[in-house]
Amino acid sequence: GAGVSQSPSNKVTEKGKDVELRCDPISGHTALYWYRQSLGQGLEFLIYFQGNSAPDKSGLPSDRFSAERTGGSVSTLTIQRTQQEDSAVYLCASSLTGDRVSGNTIYFGEGSWLTVV
Amino acid sequence: AQSVSQHNHHVILSEAASLELGCNYSYGGTVNLFWYVQYPGQHLQLLLKYFSGDPLVKGIKGFEAEFIKSKFSFNLRKPSVQWSDTAEYFCAVWTRGGADGLTFGKGTHLIIQP
Repeated sequence: GAGVSQSPSNKVTEKGKDVELRCDPISGHTALYWYRQSLGQGLEFLIYFQGNSAPDKSGLPSDRFSAERTGGSVSTLTIQRTQQEDSAVYLCASSLTGDRVSGNTIYFGEGSWLTVV
Repeated sequence: AQSVSQHNHHVILSEAASLELGCNYSYGGTVNLFWYVQYPGQHLQLLLKYFSGDPLVKGIKGFEAEFIKSKFSFNLRKPSVQWSDTAEYFCAVWTRGGADGLTFGKGTHLIIQP
């Protein structure tokens, strides 16, 4: 597609339920990132995929969070046993590669607004 | 590890005022620099970027930024702001491959009063 696509755009879930957030990166982009943006906060890095390499999971806040990327394209972020503090906007981004090279830019999706009640 | 500092968390200006948002980073090597903007209710959009060449880069909507290597700075400027510039602005620095080389500042919330 033309841009990074995320779904759902809004999700309200009950505490303790599992949620899945989907990201479809820009076609041809090998690098995919998940960030979290809480109210009034900056961007919190969660996880990074680069091609077929093992993902960088260093930003995941707990073992309730996991992500996978199938076929090097679509990614799913899963939050198990959601808590109220998980309420945030979950942003997906992609770039042509994960390298800091000239012209390589990170493009963001519109985000998935998660509210845990 | 590198860090990015945006000194002003909240800025309030009147329309037609000049704008300068500060961004400083801590890394001595080659960097790519970005400014992103997030309008209310919208997603992060690229405002402008610097990779190499002319350190004064121009972006969309009349914004520009100047890379001053000696000061490790990449300040965002606009000579005359409009009410529609109300948004959150994020500076980002990319120092090397991988997510650990990409660092965002905490953002500056800009409010333009009509």
